[in-house]
Amino acid sequence: QTVVTQEPSLTVSPGGTVTLTCASSTGAVTSGYYPNWFQQKPGQAPRALIYSTSNRHSWTPARFSGSLLGGKAALTLSGVQPEDEAEYYCLLYSGGAQVFGGGTKLTVL
Amino acid sequence: QITLKESGPTLVKPTQTLTLTCTFSGFSLTTGGVGVGWIRQPPGKALEWLALIYWDDDKRYSPSLKSRLTVTKDTSKKQVVLTMTNMNPVDTATYYCASYTGTTPFLYWGQGTLVTVSS
Repeated sequence: QTVVTQEPSLTVSPGGTVTLTCASSTGAVTSGYYPNWFQQKPGQAPRALIYSTSNRHSWTPARFSGSLLGGKAALTLSGVQPEDEAEYYCLLYSGGAQVFGGGTKLTVL
Repeated sequence: QITLKESGPTLVKPTQTLTLTCTFSGFSLTTGGVGVGWIRQPPGKALEWLALIYWDDDKRYSPSLKSRLTVTKDTSKKQVVLTMTNMNPVDTATYYCASYTGTTPFLYWGQGTLVTVSS
């Protein structure tokens, strides 16, 4: 059963850049895992941000970008805003199952 | 406008069966490629995918929970029902349903419903 690993927490300054990563226990993450990224703020349902590695939804700000980096899926936030403070989850499709990562708590200060 | 809403009991006793209903609007579960998924989140913990039902009645389950889960759909009522047997306190969580396509999984989410398992 696939385990998806993310950084538990990261801190970034307003206006800065940060990269969150998403690794699979089965090996390198490729586009065939169809990486997705979700943002969740306290008390809210998750919100989809990125699909199929690097595609933004219509509501996703341009400062969010997805990629593959060093065998992992990556979410980069450039020009971080205070409202970007949230929990971020990646989702991989692996072995016929949908697998969420453990989440990264992003603090902006 | 696509909306989804979960409904069901807020409290269940250990060993009981949980039945949750997802009522959706703005899309059809008869459209090719479309599905509805269930995801849960224990308090303060990560998201966990549970189940998925497709327009053609194909179903997928989390391997770790497969023996306890059943998902069904009623396309005329625009509802998807999740049942989970043998509930345990560790199953206490907010349960979400979400729209699904292969390209855009879990694009739209319900508000979630908190289910507590306690005697």
